[in-house]
Amino acid sequence: DAKTTQPPSMDCAEGRAANLPCNHSTISGNEYVYWYRQIHSQGPQYIIHGLKNNETNEMASLIITEDRKSSTLILPHATLRDTAVYYCIVRVNNAGNMLTFGGGTRLMVKP
Amino acid sequence: ETGVTQTPRHLVMGMTNKKSLKCEQHLGHNAMYWYKQSAKKPLELMFVYNFKEQTENNSVPSRFSPECPNSSHLFLHLHTLQPEDSALYLCASSQETANYGYTFGSGTRLTVV
Repeated sequence: DAKTTQPPSMDCAEGRAANLPCNHSTISGNEYVYWYRQIHSQGPQYIIHGLKNNETNEMASLIITEDRKSSTLILPHATLRDTAVYYCIVRVNNAGNMLTFGGGTRLMVKP
Repeated sequence: ETGVTQTPRHLVMGMTNKKSLKCEQHLGHNAMYWYKQSAKKPLELMFVYNFKEQTENNSVPSRFSPECPNSSHLFLHLHTLQPEDSALYLCASSQETANYGYTFGSGTRLTVV
């Protein structure tokens, strides 16, 4: 699986949009971009994933650049409960292809 | 609750003890995983089971012994652990034909004394 690069930490004001970047310049054509988050001392939680098109669900939006070398996770109105470590992972969507976590971005939402 | 239940939530054990961690899912998933998360380190994949068959053992010491009796249950048997094995142990499951990734349990916080 291709590697990803994320900033180690970010701050965001409560109620504002949180934009979390991820670089994956060596991504292959069949690799998806996945985002998970891990709130302190809990298991990671799936947020969203995409291949080429932008995606939106009730939790977040995922913007993937046209060349697919980077993406941005957007939390439109961050709350204090969104404080967590956010992981960007690229992987082929095949059985047996494991989910490998990097260091992620520690997002701190401040009042 | 995520649909993946881990017990116990917390465990303290001595280096000579034998204990087991349990993971249970009723999501109909056919793959289950053990991950280890030490303080200030990324999650490390330990074991993978697909359809009850172990398909991955990520160079894990033999003092950790997994067991998958059926596709809904996964155990991690522990014996003669070291203090550096203290960590959060996370179980996850997935359906190989689904795109939405893994579902994780809340983990077992293990302390070896």
